[in-house]
Amino acid sequence: AQSVTQLGSHVSVSEGALVLLRCNYSSSVPPYLFWYVQYPNQGLQLLLKYTSAATLVKGINDFEAEFKKSETSFHLTKPSAHMSDAAEYFCAVSGERMNTGFQKLVFGTGTRLLVSP
Amino acid sequence: GAVVSQHPSRVICKSGTSVKIECRSLDFQATTMFWYRQFPKQSLMLMATSNEGSKATYEQGVEKDKFLINHASLTLSTLTVTSAHPEDSSFYICSASIGTDHSPLHFGNGTRLTVT
Repeated sequence: AQSVTQLGSHVSVSEGALVLLRCNYSSSVPPYLFWYVQYPNQGLQLLLKYTSAATLVKGINDFEAEFKKSETSFHLTKPSAHMSDAAEYFCAVSGERMNTGFQKLVFGTGTRLLVSP
Repeated sequence: GAVVSQHPSRVICKSGTSVKIECRSLDFQATTMFWYRQFPKQSLMLMATSNEGSKATYEQGVEKDKFLINHASLTLSTLTVTSAHPEDSSFYICSASIGTDHSPLHFGNGTRLTVT
């Protein structure tokens, strides 16, 4: 079964500082990897995705993530944090098929990003 | 981009009553929709996969008689929490996919259910 581990339930940065949110995955099949952002009482918004093309993936709002197979990692970074980046971030993996034939999306437990002025 | 509309955004009901949550794909046809439940400060847990015109497939541990799912059309899936109890209070989120296996799911804004 696939799984995702997000290290650190909370990450605090200052405005303008580098953002690094860690994600490690486990998968018996070639994975597809995603990062989502969730604002309070809202659904999830896709930031970026890795689908076996380029290992360095660029997403919206200057976020990017690098797929490292040797490290089974897909860490999310942003060069300069903004106050508006404060939210919950979820890493997710898919690739394994459910009985329905559809690929199941497995989420990590999330990391809350706090940005201070 | 693909938009998924979920209604209501929040609902408060009394214990023993039933609540229906709607999930609509506004600008695309979603043959498959997914229902998730999110407990406070936790991740999303898949409850069931909803396929248009057929019975939903429930994840292990999810009571199908408790959480009734209907996917009557390519743009609408509903989740009904029957005989709700306080422990059913949670954040419920639906999502839909355009169709390719690894296409990212598009999520509704969720429904905050509070059972008193």
